[in-house]
Amino acid sequence: DVKVTQSSRYLVKRTGEKVFLECVQDMDHENMFWYRQDPGLGLRLIYFSYDVKMKEKGDIPEGYSVSREKKERFSLILESASTNQTSMYLCASSGGGGTEAFFGQGTRLTVV
Amino acid sequence: LAKTTQPISMDSYEGQEVNITCSHNNIATNDYITWYQQFPSQGPRFIIQGYKTKVTNEVASLFIPADRKSSTLSLPRVSLSDTAVYYCLVGDLGTGGFKTIFGAGTRLFVKA
Repeated sequence: DVKVTQSSRYLVKRTGEKVFLECVQDMDHENMFWYRQDPGLGLRLIYFSYDVKMKEKGDIPEGYSVSREKKERFSLILESASTNQTSMYLCASSGGGGTEAFFGQGTRLTVV
Repeated sequence: LAKTTQPISMDSYEGQEVNITCSHNNIATNDYITWYQQFPSQGPRFIIQGYKTKVTNEVASLFIPADRKSSTLSLPRVSLSDTAVYYCLVGDLGTGGFKTIFGAGTRLFVKA
């Protein structure tokens, strides 16, 4: 069974903290993605990576960075968390060129 | 990437067939059409994918007309558990680093 695992289901952080969201996939997929989902806005792409150490900005990269040191792991970093980054964060992976993406269960982040 | 347009919401009753149409007027020659389903507090899940004419699996059918400028997801005999958000995406399967871009989706509500 394919699996995308996000390190936390729920997270509460303080404004100004550096936050790490971790995602691991066991399918040897080339592509990995980070989205945020907010009510009424659907899923918005933050960053994606199509290979180790490669990354590209999505639609809303401001305030975020990413790291992909190993093929199976893709980390999202909030350099200085702010309240407007309170959201559901979803990680996904897909094979080379494919549009079938597999998603993790999501991390609900609250910044107070 | 081709932009997609879907209805914001739809209502149905148990046992009915539901058809959700997606417009993608600027679909490119190499683009495939993919549909995802998302339940509350979960990541999206792949339903079906196609290039032209009709595709059917155990969950749904996908109808794509000859001009490919739209597609229709058909859910036979829906049940209460089909209440979810449905997303239509188009993209090139052959392009490495394909960005999976989600729109706002269609919220389907199935009533008893």
